[in-house]
Amino acid sequence: SQKIEQNSEALNIQEGKTATLTCNYTNYSPAYLQWYRQDPGRGPVFLLLIRENEKEKRKERLKVTFDTTLKQSLFHITASQPADSATYLCALPKVAGGGADGLTFGKGTHLIIQP
Amino acid sequence: SQTIHQWPATLVQPVGSPLSLECTVEGTSNPNLYWYRQAAGRGLQLLFYSVGIGQISSEVPQNLSASRPQDRQFILSSKKLLLSDSGFYLCAWSRTGWTEAFFGQGTRLTVV
Repeated sequence: SQKIEQNSEALNIQEGKTATLTCNYTNYSPAYLQWYRQDPGRGPVFLLLIRENEKEKRKERLKVTFDTTLKQSLFHITASQPADSATYLCALPKVAGGGADGLTFGKGTHLIIQP
Repeated sequence: SQTIHQWPATLVQPVGSPLSLECTVEGTSNPNLYWYRQAAGRGLQLLFYSVGIGQISSEVPQNLSASRPQDRQFILSSKKLLLSDSGFYLCAWSRTGWTEAFFGQGTRLTVV
């Protein structure tokens, strides 16, 4: 079955710097990859979706890359702010080609932006 | 706009008691519906999904069951809770299998 790895250790970044989070996966080739933000005690909130034929996607201060050869996605937050502090989850479709079967999530990376 | 409601927010139940968590979606029709569980220190685990009324697929054999009596209503149940059922339960919906998922606020279940 597919396996998703995110750095489970907390990532401390100084305010204003770029935060880079990593998502690695094994055992299959997903049609897309998603990133979510989760705050303590709340449900995840969708941020970005990138398809297998897209190398990069941007949304405001967020940028996601998708390297299907390395089986890796990088999630960047530029000009980071303390309000960006949260846990960020990487998610892949349970079925490689996508479908209604739901998502497989990584355990998430806890990002802390220090003022 | 679409909204998802999930309740209750917090629940403390004794071992062996029944469970019923309800989730409803507004502002869309024929959504794909999902139940996930997030245990302490673990990632989100998909429990059940549904593509239509009465259609339930189970991902993990366990002490739980799900039902979809109406198009926008999804219910998670158990006849007898176990300690291991404790966790953060999240309902979610998506338009298709290629789009983002929208999550409810979750139910923190503690089985004592």
